[in-house]
Amino acid sequence: EPEVTQTPSHQVTQMGQEVILRCVPISNHLYFYWYRQILGQKVEFLVSFYNNEISEKSEIFDDQFSVERPDGSNFTLKIRSTKLEDSAMYFCASSVGGPQHFGDGTRLSIL
Amino acid sequence: AQSVTQLGSHVSVSEGALVLLRCNYSSSVPPYLFWYVQYPNQGLQLLLKYTTGATLVKGINGFEAEFKKSETSFHLTKPSAHMSDAAEYFCAVSDREGNTGKLIFGQGTTLQVKP
Repeated sequence: EPEVTQTPSHQVTQMGQEVILRCVPISNHLYFYWYRQILGQKVEFLVSFYNNEISEKSEIFDDQFSVERPDGSNFTLKIRSTKLEDSAMYFCASSVGGPQHFGDGTRLSIL
Repeated sequence: AQSVTQLGSHVSVSEGALVLLRCNYSSSVPPYLFWYVQYPNQGLQLLLKYTTGATLVKGINGFEAEFKKSETSFHLTKPSAHMSDAAEYFCAVSDREGNTGKLIFGQGTTLQVKP
């Protein structure tokens, strides 16, 4: 069964550094999402992306965050200047218009 | 606005016993409801979904859930727990009618299965 793949599985970064989290959605999917889960908290929506543009973003998704689908296969989340509170598990999801399929996540640790 | 409440952050059952994980939702539109399971160090795997039609939905691994509009509930059940069912379970509702909206998640329920 096709899967959403995310790399790296674990990213350790110094506070203030830029980080890029990568996702390869399922190939025929059209809708793309990023969620995050801070340890011990709910899974929270960050952003959705459709037809090469952001369709919705949460209040968490401020100017430090950006998303891109540079080559028709990858879907990336960039955090420009990381803060300690960005430490979380980040999940990518995709769908063809049906239920969302999730990747295994990237654990981001900010030091 | 849509919201989800999962009653009980931890549920412990014996192997072979009934599993019941509770989920109540609030939605201003006809809800699309989902249960996801997360095994350690893995992503969220779809267990089952309710969109329209039959209110009793069957999912993978012997799980099922019943949509009860009058109770705004979507509880997850399995007749007989297996050790491999130990995981975290998330109930979610789509924020709009249909499947393309963002998901609003409950806080999750950790299921422990005792031998």
